[in-house]
Amino acid sequence: SAVISQKPSRDICQRGTSLTIQCQVDSQVTMMFWYRQQPGQSLTLIATANQGSEATYESGFVIDKFPISRPNLTFSTLTVSNMSPEDSSIYLCSVEDRAGGSGNTIYFGEGSWLTVV
Amino acid sequence: RKEVEQDPGPFNVPEGATVAFNCTYSNSASQSFFWYRQDCRKEPKLLMSVYSSGNEDGRFTAQLNRASQYISLLIRDSKLSDSATYLCVVEDSSYKLIFGSGTRLLVRP
Repeated sequence: SAVISQKPSRDICQRGTSLTIQCQVDSQVTMMFWYRQQPGQSLTLIATANQGSEATYESGFVIDKFPISRPNLTFSTLTVSNMSPEDSSIYLCSVEDRAGGSGNTIYFGEGSWLTVV
Repeated sequence: RKEVEQDPGPFNVPEGATVAFNCTYSNSASQSFFWYRQDCRKEPKLLMSVYSSGNEDGRFTAQLNRASQYISLLIRDSKLSDSATYLCVVEDSSYKLIFGSGTRLLVRP
């Protein structure tokens, strides 16, 4: 499986500011995703990061709030804009591996723990 | 109704016990199924895929019942290190993964 590195691993942010999370993969991957996991909740897909084009956002998530870049097949960024305490969450970068032939297996980075104060 | 439902637990069992988790899904067109394990304040990690014929990996056995739309995970001879949250994951017909909210397992000495 791919090795996925995220940074920052954690941060405490002021309300109203923005933070960009970086995700680096050690191999070229077609599909990269960004998930959010709020405290005590399960994972929710924010968007699919598309290389060379705009990200595909899920219902409830918009580009103005969560702009995403995907300049190449090994790197992506997620920005959490104009943060409020409700954005306190773990944000997870993930990639898809279809090599196993068992469907859409997803591997995750270690996550970025954001606390907004 | 949630797309993927799990009993949140916690399941509190002694070391050596056998424990089983169930998960139900609402979309009959779902194609692939997985169990992920998530330790406290860590990212989810793939535990095993779930095949129609059922599959076993050491102490872990996964079963799929398409007719009743549920998936199960059986852990035999529980270890302290098995304490974690177990996430049921279903791939929907548009190839998107839907995560359950997880079942928490606590294995005590």
